[in-house]
Amino acid sequence: EAQVTQNPRYLITVTGKKLTVTCSQNMNHEYMSWYRQDPGLGLRQIYYSMNVEVTDKGDVPEGYKVSRKEKRNFPLILESPSPNQTSLYFCASSPHSGDSGYGYTFGSGTRLTVV
Amino acid sequence: GDSVTQMEGPVTLSEEAFLTINCTYTATGYPSLFWYVQYPGEGLQLLLKATKADDKGSNKGFEATYRKETTSFHLEKGSVQVSDSAVYFCALIAAGGTSYGKLTFGQGTILTVHP
Repeated sequence: EAQVTQNPRYLITVTGKKLTVTCSQNMNHEYMSWYRQDPGLGLRQIYYSMNVEVTDKGDVPEGYKVSRKEKRNFPLILESPSPNQTSLYFCASSPHSGDSGYGYTFGSGTRLTVV
Repeated sequence: GDSVTQMEGPVTLSEEAFLTINCTYTATGYPSLFWYVQYPGEGLQLLLKATKADDKGSNKGFEATYRKETTSFHLEKGSVQVSDSAVYFCALIAAGGTSYGKLTFGQGTILTVHP
């Protein structure tokens, strides 16, 4: 089944403790992206990647890092999480950035709470 | 920059009522337009899309028409069901430019349907 898989689904952590949210897709998509969803703000892009070793900032990149060493994986790293990063996070993929008509396939989400 | 504006929510309807959720956009060129749906506790699923002016996207009884002259993509359904209760997001991907395939979302509209 074609899908985007995120782990974990739920995570509670403490301020300053480094964490990684994993994302993997099995569709050979070139383009991958991370979003955060907050009430009243919709979804905002954190980082995106157009291909292996090609990443760039989205609209709200502060406090996050990403890497794209393999085509299928795009982990989101919070080096020193803070309470304002408490949110619902989604990973998504698309065949390539030039195909505006495809849309994205989304993962099931990771609900992160930083205390 | 690109932006999407959805009607204020939440929307509460009785079963079999007519649904309209308004969506307007600002973008350069001719973006592709999407409606995504998020059921409680789940990720985002593509509901329908349209990639050029006057296209009508449809799925599961929902419809939306790409209106370039009014920069709108309103979602409609003739008879809603309780199972349609969810959050609905209007979104766009700009064609070309420097957006690099970014999916830009509206703030979401919560729909609740009562029996």
